[in-house]
Amino acid sequence: SAVISQKPSRDICQRGTSLTIQCQVDSQVTMMFWYRQQPGQSLTLIATANQGSEATYESGFVIDKFPISRPNLTFSTLTVSNMSPEDSSIYLCSADGLAGNEQYFGPGTRLTVT
Amino acid sequence: DQQVKQNSPSLSVQEGRISILNCDYTNSMFDYFLWYKKYPAEGPTFLISISSIKDKNEDGRFTVFLNKSAKHLSLHIVPSQPGDSAVYFCAASANGGSQGNLIFGKGTKLSVKP
Repeated sequence: SAVISQKPSRDICQRGTSLTIQCQVDSQVTMMFWYRQQPGQSLTLIATANQGSEATYESGFVIDKFPISRPNLTFSTLTVSNMSPEDSSIYLCSADGLAGNEQYFGPGTRLTVT
Repeated sequence: DQQVKQNSPSLSVQEGRISILNCDYTNSMFDYFLWYKKYPAEGPTFLISISSIKDKNEDGRFTVFLNKSAKHLSLHIVPSQPGDSAVYFCAASANGGSQGNLIFGKGTKLSVKP
């Protein structure tokens, strides 16, 4: 299984600012994913990031708000732009598994917007 | 509308007994189902999965049962151990677990008491 790390692990940010979350995988993976878990809710997919192409966003999420980079096969970033308190969530990245049928998750970034 | 439902937010079981976590889904296009375990301040950890062509998959103390006609799956843990105490998420996919959108339930918090 892939080992995935995220930075920062948590942050408290002011309204109107932006935060970039980094996700590093210890092996090359084809697909990386970004999820959000709002308080008391399930994990929701934000977008899928493939190396060398634009990220694919799920309904309700747009590139201007959540720009994503995928410069190589082991790294991705998610930026939460122009933050509001409603963006307070845990943000998780994941990557496709070597077996091909499951995703492996990073530890998450706990974001609080004041 | 939730496509994956875990109707029990919490479950308490005595050590050594069986834990049964339930999950219902509404989308008949789902063809792959996964269970994840999550400890506080960590990302979800893949536990076990099942394809829709099977009705049972077993891995050590963990067994997942799938009833397609009822659109229901369950995770059995036997025997339960205190280290199993965590939040368990059921997830479903319409195109294989690693290839795209995993739809998660809200989770069930399992407490195994010594």
